Amino acid sequence: DQQVKQNSPSLSVQEGRISILNCDYTNSMFDYFLWYKKYPAEGPTFLISISSIKDKNEDGRFTVFLNKSAKHLSLHIVPSQPGDSAVYFCAAKTQGGSEKLVFGKGTKLTVNP
Amino acid sequence: GAGVSQSPSNKVTEKGKDVELRCDPISGHTALYWYRQRLGQGLEFLIYFQGNSAPDKSGLPSDRFSAERTGESVSTLTIQRTQQEDSAVYLCASSLGSRRYLGTQYFGPGTRLLVL
Repeated sequence: DQQVKQNSPSLSVQEGRISILNCDYTNSMFDYFLWYKKYPAEGPTFLISISSIKDKNEDGRFTVFLNKSAKHLSLHIVPSQPGDSAVYFCAAKTQGGSEKLVFGKGTKLTVNP
Repeated sequence: GAGVSQSPSNKVTEKGKDVELRCDPISGHTALYWYRQRLGQGLEFLIYFQGNSAPDKSGLPSDRFSAERTGESVSTLTIQRTQQEDSAVYLCASSLGSRRYLGTQYFGPGTRLLVL
């Protein structure tokens, strides 16, 4: 039973355009959401996060939007750059208890020059 | 400022053998996590250590899996009697782990385990 779902295994965009990566979750106890980026043969690196008390968080070219009623979040990258090509994982934490993260399966983003 | 390091980077073993994977967290990080990623899957939580508290072992898939951590330093993940389905990338992460600080997890490069 997947609690965090990334339904698009891959996404291809042109350099300079916007990349939108989507993530849906089912557990209403999740209260903190994160995006990680992963290059081949490397561990995931933290990109941006958002608390459930917010609906938007922005950091440079990266913006995360949270729609709690729809249990949906998205990562926007604008403008997209070839170096953004990687696998992007959505992750979530539950209130209290363990700090473990629940991950989606990832979306492979390819930014074409 | 070294990041999280893991060893070995790659491990090939025969079914039925035991393997031990090592993780060196970032100095000062009190929380340490193990995850695994099987082919085509997301990261799957295995175990979490926080200071002197009892570890959260809720993600360990079977009693063949165990992990230890000495204080707030090195951790080892041991898989006994390995099976082919144990083949995966095993990732370690650490964080400051303070209760008030939601603790961004920083990942190591992983150990790629292949069980033949």
